[in-house]
Amino acid sequence: GENVEQHPSTLSVQEGDSAVIKCTYSDSASNYFPWYKQELGKRPQLIIDIRSNVGEKKDQRIAVTLNKTAKHFSLHITETQPEDSAVYFCAAIYTGTASKLTFGTGTRLQVTL
Amino acid sequence: EAEVAQSPRYKITEKSQAVAFWCDPISGHATLYWYRQILGQGPELLVQFQDESVVDDSQLPKDRFSAERLKGVDSTLKIQPAELGDSAMYLCASTLSGAGDYEQYFGPGTRLTVT
Repeated sequence: GENVEQHPSTLSVQEGDSAVIKCTYSDSASNYFPWYKQELGKRPQLIIDIRSNVGEKKDQRIAVTLNKTAKHFSLHITETQPEDSAVYFCAAIYTGTASKLTFGTGTRLQVTL
Repeated sequence: EAEVAQSPRYKITEKSQAVAFWCDPISGHATLYWYRQILGQGPELLVQFQDESVVDDSQLPKDRFSAERLKGVDSTLKIQPAELGDSAMYLCASTLSGAGDYEQYFGPGTRLTVT
């Protein structure tokens, strides 16, 4: 089955700096890679996703890059703000029949003033 | 905006007791998932339904856990008997499962504490 590794487990940045979280996956068939943000005690919420036919996707301060050859993808947050503080999870899935979303172990991002 | 509903939000039970969690997915979403999230870890899939059928329950501890989605709409996850190691957040999610739509929408979760 799919295995997703995520680094770092914790990340502390100053407000205004950039943050980068990296994930690797094992199943070359995986073709959809979402990123979820989970604030303390709340549900995971999708913040951005990328499909395997695209190398990069950007949405305002958030961007995701995908390297299919190396089987890794990254989340980039620019101009970080205190409200970006949360746990971020990457995930991977092959969107075929009975596909299962496999999550990384999470990165706790702390944005300090 | 439509959301996945779950109840209860919090549950404290003693070990060896039975507990049940309920999930109502977004209307029209054919695929429903139950995840377990242990503190500090990512969600782990327990069971996946497509309409009323179980598609994947390979990670469901079937000796104590059961799940059903009888009419292909809402779903119930049961644990009997509960063990101390079952303390976790239980998340329900749903997906439209239409062509090109893969986003999973999560409910608020049920935080279970087994004492």
